[in-house]
Amino acid sequence: DAGVIQSPRHEVTEMGQEVTLRCKPISGHNSLFWYRQTMMRGLELLIYFNNNVPIDDSGMPEDRFSAKMPNASFSTLKIQPSEPRDSAVYFCASSLQVYEQYFGPGTRLTVT
Amino acid sequence: DQQVKQNSPSLSVQEGRISILNCDYTNSMFDYFLWYKKYPAEGPTFLISISSIKDKNEDGRFTVFLNKSAKHLSLHIVPSQPGDSAVYFCAAYVGYQKVTFGTGTKLQVIP
Repeated sequence: DAGVIQSPRHEVTEMGQEVTLRCKPISGHNSLFWYRQTMMRGLELLIYFNNNVPIDDSGMPEDRFSAKMPNASFSTLKIQPSEPRDSAVYFCASSLQVYEQYFGPGTRLTVT
Repeated sequence: DQQVKQNSPSLSVQEGRISILNCDYTNSMFDYFLWYKKYPAEGPTFLISISSIKDKNEDGRFTVFLNKSAKHLSLHIVPSQPGDSAVYFCAAYVGYQKVTFGTGTKLQVIP
């Protein structure tokens, strides 16, 4: 199995631009998670889906962030418009058991 | 509100010695605790877990200890190896709800 796949691995964009991060979970996993890693706050859960349905989006910072999971094999996290404070590493993870999550390699986002 | 806290951002240990990584939590409802390990440019990987009904869980060189009265858990690595150099995240969850992660501790094992 290829594991969780994220694209792009690196994204550099200018403030105000739209950014879309993509994730392909491990086949057969029924839960998908989006995290943001920063030095100050560690790994923050942004949103998670169970069977393609958003369960908890309380971690989404503001309306500029949105996430979708149109099917069991694909999810997107969109930031529109992006701001410099959104610069971070964004991880996608999938799981069958809530605690044993399998993480992707992450997308390093830089907003200038 | 940081419910899971790792107060030491970094730790250096000599190869062969014991590494002790600490974690404190505030939510007494947590019933499962986890440690994840992260190498640079990779996602975190699950390392070891412990249920709140236990006080110790061992897996090879890795042992996790839980002190519920102090709301404290620790990860012991014995003996430490250079390949253990990574960032270690403590995490916890209640029932089947979302996992809450700490800020991480960067471990450096010096050969």
